[in-house]
Amino acid sequence: DVKVTQSSRYLVKRTGEKVFLECVQDMDHENMFWYRQDPGLGLRLIYFSYDVKMKEKGDIPEGYSVSREKKERFSLILESASTNQTSMYLCASTTPGPSSYEQYFGPGTRLTVT
Amino acid sequence: AQSVAQPEDQVNVAEGNPLTVKCTYSVSGNPYLFWYVQYPNRGLQFLLKYITGDNLVKGSYGFEAEFNKSQTSFHLKKPSALVSDSALYFCAVRGTGNNRLAFGKGNQVVVIP
Repeated sequence: DVKVTQSSRYLVKRTGEKVFLECVQDMDHENMFWYRQDPGLGLRLIYFSYDVKMKEKGDIPEGYSVSREKKERFSLILESASTNQTSMYLCASTTPGPSSYEQYFGPGTRLTVT
Repeated sequence: AQSVAQPEDQVNVAEGNPLTVKCTYSVSGNPYLFWYVQYPNRGLQFLLKYITGDNLVKGSYGFEAEFNKSQTSFHLKKPSALVSDSALYFCAVRGTGNNRLAFGKGNQVVVIP
């Protein structure tokens, strides 16, 4: 079974802090994604990566950055956390290709910024 | 651009009755369509997908979905709902050659005992 793990289930940070969210997958997937989930808004893509050191902005990249130094690990960074970044953050991974493979999701990190 | 509409915020259904969760999509080219389920405080779990072939797709936990190209719909169905089916359901689409999924806003399903 594919396993996608996230470093924390719950996190509380103060405004202005630098926050790191870590995601690790064990299936050698090339593509990895970071989403945030808010009630009534569904999932919105923040960033994704299709290879080591490669990244692309999603729909809402402002206030976030990412790092992918190793294939299995994709980190989301909040440079200076703000209260409007309080949300559920979900990481996912998949294999690209001519067919369409489903994305596999981690359990999520619920971040509260006070 | 690609997008998904899930028109109902919440679907209430009595246990044992048929369950339908609606999804319509917009995409360039051929669509790849997915349904995911999310239980409280958990990540998303894959239920089923349509890539090509038969319009009726069967998935996990007795769920199925019907692809209708003319109506650009991919409704999720289950013949007999269980209380344990109470969860948040997301429809997603991506077009050919696109790495990204577009998700709908989600439908809360409540199965009443």
